[in-house]
Amino acid sequence: SQTIHQWPATLVQPVGSPLSLECTVEGTSNPNLYWYRQAAGRGLQLLFYSVGIGQISSEVPQNLSASRPQDRQFILSSKKLLLSDSGFYLCAWSVLTRYNEQFFGPGTRLTVL
Amino acid sequence: EDKVVQSPLSLVVHEGDTVTLNCSYEVTNFRSLLWYKQEKKAPTFLFMLTSSGIEKKSGRLSSILDKKELFSILNITATQTGDSAVYLCAVATSGTYKYIFGTGTRLKVLA
Repeated sequence: SQTIHQWPATLVQPVGSPLSLECTVEGTSNPNLYWYRQAAGRGLQLLFYSVGIGQISSEVPQNLSASRPQDRQFILSSKKLLLSDSGFYLCAWSVLTRYNEQFFGPGTRLTVL
Repeated sequence: EDKVVQSPLSLVVHEGDTVTLNCSYEVTNFRSLLWYKQEKKAPTFLFMLTSSGIEKKSGRLSSILDKKELFSILNITATQTGDSAVYLCAVATSGTYKYIFGTGTRLKVLA
């Protein structure tokens, strides 16, 4: 069966510090991968998605970037965090079938101080 | 612009009540509609709907899609305190790999 891992689970970082969040998927190949952010009490905001190694689509221009160095690995980064980057970061995967179910990882709760 | 709207935004009921959550959408190239339950952690998948009029059911939860009127409902019967959560609706579109999420309905079930 497929599983999705994210780490760390929680993170507290000072403003201006760098960020690296990692997501890996097991049990499937060539998944579509997604990064979402959820601010407190808000809906899910799609940040990036990837349909293959090295292929990244950005939905919201901001100080974040994403990379997909391997088929089942997706990394979210920032060179300098802002207070507004605080939130719950969720990685998700789907497989390109006809109807596309999507499943989420456990999430990383980021607090920028 | 594609959008998904959920209503109500929040709901408070008592155990044993039946609730109906609504999700309407305006998207180009509809592929499927998904429902998720989110407690204080990541969303968990409930249902995926692709065809109108076919009810999906899991225990006390059921959902149906109307592709003509562009909406879906999620019903929860005999609610329990464990049903307290945010329920998210999302639409997957053809031609892209994106999912458009609504802002969710926050359900609180009182004992």
